[in-house]
Amino acid sequence: GAGVSQSPSNKVTEKGKDVELRCDPISGHTALYWYRQSLGQGLEFLIYFQGNSAPDKSGLPSDRFSAERTGGSVSTLTIQRTQQEDSAVYLCASSLEQALWNEQFFGPGTRLTVL
Amino acid sequence: AQSVTQPDIHITVSEGASLELRCNYSYGATPYLFWYVQSPGQGLQLLLKYFSGDTLVQGIKGFEAEFKRSQSSFNLRKPSVHWSDAAEYFCAVVSGYSSASKIIFGSGTRLSIRP
Repeated sequence: GAGVSQSPSNKVTEKGKDVELRCDPISGHTALYWYRQSLGQGLEFLIYFQGNSAPDKSGLPSDRFSAERTGGSVSTLTIQRTQQEDSAVYLCASSLEQALWNEQFFGPGTRLTVL
Repeated sequence: AQSVTQPDIHITVSEGASLELRCNYSYGATPYLFWYVQSPGQGLQLLLKYFSGDTLVQGIKGFEAEFKRSQSSFNLRKPSVHWSDAAEYFCAVVSGYSSASKIIFGSGTRLSIRP
């Protein structure tokens, strides 16, 4: 079966523009996670969804970041008024159930460059 | 606050040599511990995990890790590395067993293989 997919694979934008990053989880996976991976850094946990709800949004870096999930499937991470420090690889993962100790299956990521 | 430290940013070993990647965590109770691998151009893949029981856990691709409570460590080992093991390796810890649990990733160790 298909794994987690993300689009676009690369996104170059100008400072101040809004961007949308998309994640398609593995079919049947109820939990979905977003991470940010900056150069030379580990993965920074942003947000997770159980179904369509996000119980914990505290990992989002600022109010310019938001995420939604519809139909218990596709999720979109939106960054408004992008800044250069937003440049990073954004990773999405999914798992069968929402429990951080369950195995997460990761997508290939979206590399965001803010000029 | 919980934390994960991977003290080695970059390690180079010869093909066929043994490997040990270090991971230290800070958490009061026994955490859930993970090792993930990120190969070039691919998403992260779970190598192995420790929850409880036998402190030596076996993973995929011939990797193993040992949980040592007294040293707060969860080092990853492989007896004989292959060129295909060249990748970035991440240690992660999950604290707690509730919706308030957090997952923390280390900053990663990049492994290069010398022919």
